[in-house]
Amino acid sequence: GQNIDQPTEMTATEGAIVQINCTYQTSGFNGLFWYQQHAGEAPTFLSYNVLDGLEEKGRFSSFLSRSKGYSYLLLKELQMKDSASYLCAVLDSNYQLIWGAGTKLIIKP
Amino acid sequence: DADVTQTPRNRITKTGKRIMLECSQTKGHDRMYWYRQDPGLGLRLIYYSFDVKDINKGEISDGYSVSRQAQAKFSLSLESAIPNQTALYFCATSDPDRGDTGELFFGEGSRLTVL
Repeated sequence: GQNIDQPTEMTATEGAIVQINCTYQTSGFNGLFWYQQHAGEAPTFLSYNVLDGLEEKGRFSSFLSRSKGYSYLLLKELQMKDSASYLCAVLDSNYQLIWGAGTKLIIKP
Repeated sequence: DADVTQTPRNRITKTGKRIMLECSQTKGHDRMYWYRQDPGLGLRLIYYSFDVKDINKGEISDGYSVSRQAQAKFSLSLESAIPNQTALYFCATSDPDRGDTGELFFGEGSRLTVL
């Protein structure tokens, strides 16, 4: 079966750095997405990786290793507004999105 | 104004009632999707449509039906609602042919409670 694993919840301190991991087992791979979702709101797109390596976008970076079935989202200089759930999703060989359950990130002052 | 609009935003109904959730978009995207989200679970695809004449079942289509009335409109119906259909429902659009990554653009969600 297809599976996306990410931690259920993480806690970090304002101003610090946090890394949210995502491991996947899917039938094929056509890219990996990270979305941010604030409580009660819609998910919003953060990043897309299809090749191995690091993609940097401001305070957020996303890394992919296709051989290891592994990605992480790195958030730097954490702000209180970064408190949200972070969803990992993989596009499989049929171009269907497989979603992880999300990681709830709690930022403490 | 939101590019992807869902109505209603909140609905409480009783078991056995017919419910329609509507979605309209101004992004000009061909692809539209309906997802449901339950606590502790990932987003699950109910139905998707790649154009007006194309409707496809997702992983959890039982108990649901859809209608693609126009490129901009995609409705989700629960013919006879049951309590385990209580969830947050999202409509989304995408258009990977436009050179972007094919990311999804979500509506604000419709919270449905079935008593």
